[in-house]
Amino acid sequence: AQRVTQPEKLLSVFKGAPVELKCNYSYSGSPELFWYVQYSRQRLQLLLRHISRESIKGFTADLNKGETSFHLKKPFAQEEDSAMYYCALRIQGAQKLVFGQGTRLTINP
Amino acid sequence: NAGVTQTPKFQVLKTGQSMTLQCAQDMNHEYMSWYRQDPGMGLRLIHYSVGAGITDQGEVPNGYNVSRSTTEDFPLRLLSAAPSQTSVYFCASSYSWQGRTYEQYFGPGTRLTVT
Repeated sequence: AQRVTQPEKLLSVFKGAPVELKCNYSYSGSPELFWYVQYSRQRLQLLLRHISRESIKGFTADLNKGETSFHLKKPFAQEEDSAMYYCALRIQGAQKLVFGQGTRLTINP
Repeated sequence: NAGVTQTPKFQVLKTGQSMTLQCAQDMNHEYMSWYRQDPGMGLRLIHYSVGAGITDQGEVPNGYNVSRSTTEDFPLRLLSAAPSQTSVYFCASSYSWQGRTYEQYFGPGTRLTVT
């Protein structure tokens, strides 16, 4: 069965420090992975997807098929990065996502 | 475009009551989904639809019904509310381009409490 695991429910770092949100997946096919973010009082929105290989708001994520991971990283955290982050897996050919449990990131001043 | 809209924003029900959560999108997306968000559980798929007239079950479908009579609307019905259905419900719509590009757009959510 497909599964996405985010091992940290809560993550707290200081402003300016590096941040890494972990995501591991279990899927036998070719995965398509995403990071979604939910800021306070806002709706869930796409942050980035692995096929785009882009950097959004300073965040990057690399798909590591050997380790079945898709960790989200940012070298210097900002206070506005405080939010709930979800890793999600799209099953090949399907139009639905499997989400991880989410990580609440808090950036301390 | 309004994107994905959901009504109501908040609702309190008594055990055994029924109600319908409304979801509409104006982006002409083929695909629509309902999720529930619970602390420590992430988002779990309840039902989804790949087009008008076509629906399928997700991970946690029990206690919920859906229908898709139009491209725009995808209502979620709670048949007989139970306290375990206390949650935040999100509707999403999505598109696919050449079978590869894919993005889900989410509504603002409905916070439901069942007493």
